[in-house]
Amino acid sequence: GAVVSQHPSWVICKSGTSVKIECRSLDFQATTMFWYRQFPKQSLMLMATSNEGSKATYEQGVEKDKFLINHASLTLSTLTVTSAHPEDSSFYICSASSAGKETQYFGPGTRLLVL
Amino acid sequence: AQTVTQSQPEMSVQEAETVTLSCTYDTSESNYYLFWYKQPPSRQMILVIRQEAYKQQNATENRFSVNFQKAAKSFSLKISDSQLGDTAMYFCAFMIQGGSEKLVFGKGTKLTVNP
Repeated sequence: GAVVSQHPSWVICKSGTSVKIECRSLDFQATTMFWYRQFPKQSLMLMATSNEGSKATYEQGVEKDKFLINHASLTLSTLTVTSAHPEDSSFYICSASSAGKETQYFGPGTRLLVL
Repeated sequence: AQTVTQSQPEMSVQEAETVTLSCTYDTSESNYYLFWYKQPPSRQMILVIRQEAYKQQNATENRFSVNFQKAAKSFSLKISDSQLGDTAMYFCAFMIQGGSEKLVFGKGTKLTVNP
């Protein structure tokens, strides 16, 4: 149980285009989903927290207009990187937790390369 | 603000031996959770073990156990009978109970199990 999937697993795009990453909880209802960014050989950096049906809460320094997060259902959250630039290249990871449960379960991550 | 410190950037151990990874944290909260996550080369974050701060008994999951010292704010992970598949980055993480559900991660320890 507690499986989280992400799609795509990797994506290459041209500078200026937008990229959407999906995060799905496959066998539980995710009332809260989290989006992280991880640079090589570093820890995870929380970008935002989203609750189903509500606007996402962004961490300080994260541009909400650049990283659009939607959590429209209890099993799906999406992260859209708008007008991507090479500096947005990174590894993006989502996690999910259910109501009353403190443990976060992580997706396998999405590697984004912006050319 | 909560902080998590992992003082060992890298460690190595021989297969079948025991290794202990250190983690200390700083908080003024009384109720919280502590976690160890493993990130193998695939970069999938995997929950290894978790501990509720109100529990005095140390958590154990098969070959993995923790030494939780609340007064010292220490939460070390012991891996017994190390296996090659244990090679990974290990992240210690903290979460306030009843709070925003955010995880605060340490910088990680890279563990290599040698044959």
